[in-house]
Amino acid sequence: DAMVIQNPRYQVTQFGKPVTLSCSQTLNHNVMYWYQQKSSQAPKLLFHYYDKDFNNEADTPDNFQSRRPNTSFCFLDIRSPGLGDAAMYLCATSAHPVPPGYTFGSGTRLTVV
Amino acid sequence: AQRVTQPEKLLSVFKGAPVELKCNYSYSGSPELFWYVQYSRQRLQLLLRHISRESIKGFTADLNKGETSFHLKKPFAQEEDSAMYYCALMLRGQGGSEKLVFGKGTKLTVNP
Repeated sequence: DAMVIQNPRYQVTQFGKPVTLSCSQTLNHNVMYWYQQKSSQAPKLLFHYYDKDFNNEADTPDNFQSRRPNTSFCFLDIRSPGLGDAAMYLCATSAHPVPPGYTFGSGTRLTVV
Repeated sequence: AQRVTQPEKLLSVFKGAPVELKCNYSYSGSPELFWYVQYSRQRLQLLLRHISRESIKGFTADLNKGETSFHLKKPFAQEEDSAMYYCALMLRGQGGSEKLVFGKGTKLTVNP
């Protein structure tokens, strides 16, 4: 099935130790998004790639970076995770300007110890 | 400010009862609104969007610009409707960029 795949499903990292979360898609969608979702809160957009163009949200901390080496893959790098970065990280894709609607991955739950 | 408000964190109904999940939005332009659903242990998935005026799994949602609302309704709830429901607003920027802003979600429980 064409889909959005996030690895790993669960990630435990040490405080301050860089960590990378990955997302891949077989949908050939041109837009890829990273959302952060903390418990009982709305998913919050961190940044997105429109093709190769990176769009950062104004309130996304510098600690969060992203890479998109090709259409299929997108990575979320957290340079120095803090306890407050523990959350579910959701990757989503869309095919702009085809009718809107995101396809989400299953998410990666990050724990910082 | 552009925002989506879902006033109910939890909603519990009995099977066969009508259900309405509330969503209000704040947006200066012409809104594009969506409902997403997340069943237990599954990924977030699109349920319906207002531009399609569709009914999915018996759910409908009507955009009311006067009340700035996009409430999700179903006349007869089923146990399998138990899930987390998110209302979302599409924001379109210059250059064709777009992004979804989500409400905090409502957890619907349908009791037998």
